[in-house]
Amino acid sequence: GDSVTQMEGPVTLSEEAFLTINCTYTATGYPSLFWYVQYPGEGLQLLLKATKADDKGSNKGFEATYRKETTSFHLEKGSVQVSDSAVYFCALSSTSYDKVIFGPGTSLSVIP
Amino acid sequence: DGGITQSPKYLFRKEGQNVTLSCEQNLNHDAMYWYRQDPGQGLRLIYYSQIVNDFQKGDIAEGYSVSREKKESFPLTVTSAQKNPTAFYLCASSPGGRNTDTQYFGPGTRLTVL
Repeated sequence: GDSVTQMEGPVTLSEEAFLTINCTYTATGYPSLFWYVQYPGEGLQLLLKATKADDKGSNKGFEATYRKETTSFHLEKGSVQVSDSAVYFCALSSTSYDKVIFGPGTSLSVIP
Repeated sequence: DGGITQSPKYLFRKEGQNVTLSCEQNLNHDAMYWYRQDPGQGLRLIYYSQIVNDFQKGDIAEGYSVSREKKESFPLTVTSAQKNPTAFYLCASSPGGRNTDTQYFGPGTRLTVL
């Protein structure tokens, strides 16, 4: 079945460091790919998405490119801030299913 | 402002009691979802509904029940049959069932069984 794998956390970075959170997927058909972010004590909110191969999603300085050849959707940001501290979830939504499959989440802490 | 509301934010329940979690949306979305989140884990789908008066079981439906009598509302009942109900519960909605749709989440309800 469809699945999402994320790098394990927690990840701790200093402010202004470069961020990469790896995400790979297994899916039949042509899934849409998402990154959601969850701040402490809150629900999830969409960070960015890509709906077809080679699409690049971007928002708030974060980027991810849909790579079909490597089945990956890695999240990157050039310079993280303390306010980026949160849990990040990679997710996919396949045409084969009526649901979204979430990865386990990666906790990010940014220290001043 | 449009959005999803969940109430209450914190809920305490004694063992053996049923409890109902509220979820309301004013986004005019057709699809609604309930997820369970445990510490250090991803989200697991409990139930979902693509249209009023219809819903389907997700991956962990045992011990839970739902109803979808109105488009705006999708309450979740945690029954006494749920063996380990302490968790963070998230409700979400999306415009429809298309795989390109973004899901919009409520703030969550943290349920603790005493």
